[in-house]
Amino acid sequence: GAGVSQSPRYKVAKRGQDVALRCDPISGHVSLFWYQQALGQGPEFLTYFQNEAQLDKSGLPSDRFFAERPEGSVSTLKIQRTQQEDSAVYLCASTGPGNNEKLFFGSGTQLSVL
Amino acid sequence: GDSVTQMEGPVTLSEEAFLTINCTYTATGYPSLFWYVQYPGEGLQLLLKATKADDKGSNKGFEATYRKETTSFHLEKGSVQVSDSAVYFCALSDGGGYQKVTFGTGTKLQVIP
Repeated sequence: GAGVSQSPRYKVAKRGQDVALRCDPISGHVSLFWYQQALGQGPEFLTYFQNEAQLDKSGLPSDRFFAERPEGSVSTLKIQRTQQEDSAVYLCASTGPGNNEKLFFGSGTQLSVL
Repeated sequence: GDSVTQMEGPVTLSEEAFLTINCTYTATGYPSLFWYVQYPGEGLQLLLKATKADDKGSNKGFEATYRKETTSFHLEKGSVQVSDSAVYFCALSDGGGYQKVTFGTGTKLQVIP
């Protein structure tokens, strides 16, 4: 596609529900990142994939957060048993060889946990 | 660990005013430095970058110089426009083999006609 696509754009969940957030990176982009952006803050790193391999998950805040990218393209971020503190915008970014450190971001999924 | 500190906003300027947004960083090694911008309703996008000391990044009239001695990367523009209203994020990448980027908290700029 022309850019990084994320869905849904908005998600409202009741506390305790499971949610799944989708990211479609730019075609051919090897590297994929998930970030969490709380209101009024900068994005915080969650996890990194190179193709289908999850090489860094040091930013995942708890074992309720799980990310996968089984075929090296689309990625899903899953949050189990959502809590109010999970409310944030979840950003996906991708980059490919030759992009020289430039990240291409999606518009994000705004998650509100009630 | 790596960190980025930038001036708090919001910053309100009149059109054609001079803009400076301060940014300092803490990092081991030799990071690359970035300014990202987020326009209302849009995703983050790279504004400019610098990869080594004394490099100057520039784009759309914005400039920032990588100052290793002061660990700074201040964003400047000589004459802002209403269309520059956005949130600006200073960021760094530690160059550890992939583009893991650490962001500052962002500075909201509002330019009034």
